[in-house]
Amino acid sequence: DAGVIQSPRHEVTEMGQEVTLRCKPISGHDYLFWYRQTMMRGLELLIYFNNNVPIDDSGMPEDRFSAKMPNASFSTLKIQPSEPRDSAVYFCASTLSRGAGNTIYFGEGSWLTVV
Amino acid sequence: SQKIEQNSEALNIQEGKTATLTCNYTNYSPAYLQWYRQDPGRGPVFLLLIRENEKEKRKERLKVTFDTTLKQSLFHITASQPADSATYLCALDGTNAGKSTFGDGTTLTVKP
Repeated sequence: DAGVIQSPRHEVTEMGQEVTLRCKPISGHDYLFWYRQTMMRGLELLIYFNNNVPIDDSGMPEDRFSAKMPNASFSTLKIQPSEPRDSAVYFCASTLSRGAGNTIYFGEGSWLTVV
Repeated sequence: SQKIEQNSEALNIQEGKTATLTCNYTNYSPAYLQWYRQDPGRGPVFLLLIRENEKEKRKERLKVTFDTTLKQSLFHITASQPADSATYLCALDGTNAGKSTFGDGTTLTVKP
């Protein structure tokens, strides 16, 4: 398997623009996660899906952030409008639904810079 | 509130020595604890998982202990090598399948 695939790997955008990050989880995985990593706050869980349904979005910082999972093989994280403080690495991850303690497989991340 | 603390932001050791990283937690009763490795510019990669009823787990040069009384996990790398230099993250799992809370990580540098 190719692992979790994220795009774009790097994005530089101007404040106020819409940003869309994309993720393809590992085939057969029932859970998908979006994390954000910064030096100040470490790795934070933004939202996670089970069988394409959002389960917990309590980590989404504000209404400018939204996430969708239209099918089992694709998810998006959208920021509209973007702000400089959104600059971070955004990771998508997936895991199997066999109970707690499952290994989480991370993508390589999308490096976002908002200027 | 739940809190996870990893002993220090950075740890420098000499090649061949044993590196020991600490993960402490409060206000949490994890069923599982995992350790991940993260290299610069890459996503975290799973290393080891230990369950709450296990005291110790080993994998090659890696050893993890889990003390639920002390609320602490220790992660050891024996015979360390420069290639072990990376950031190591601990993650705690509760009862929600797959939902993990991560510590901030400890950056290990092994000097030749």
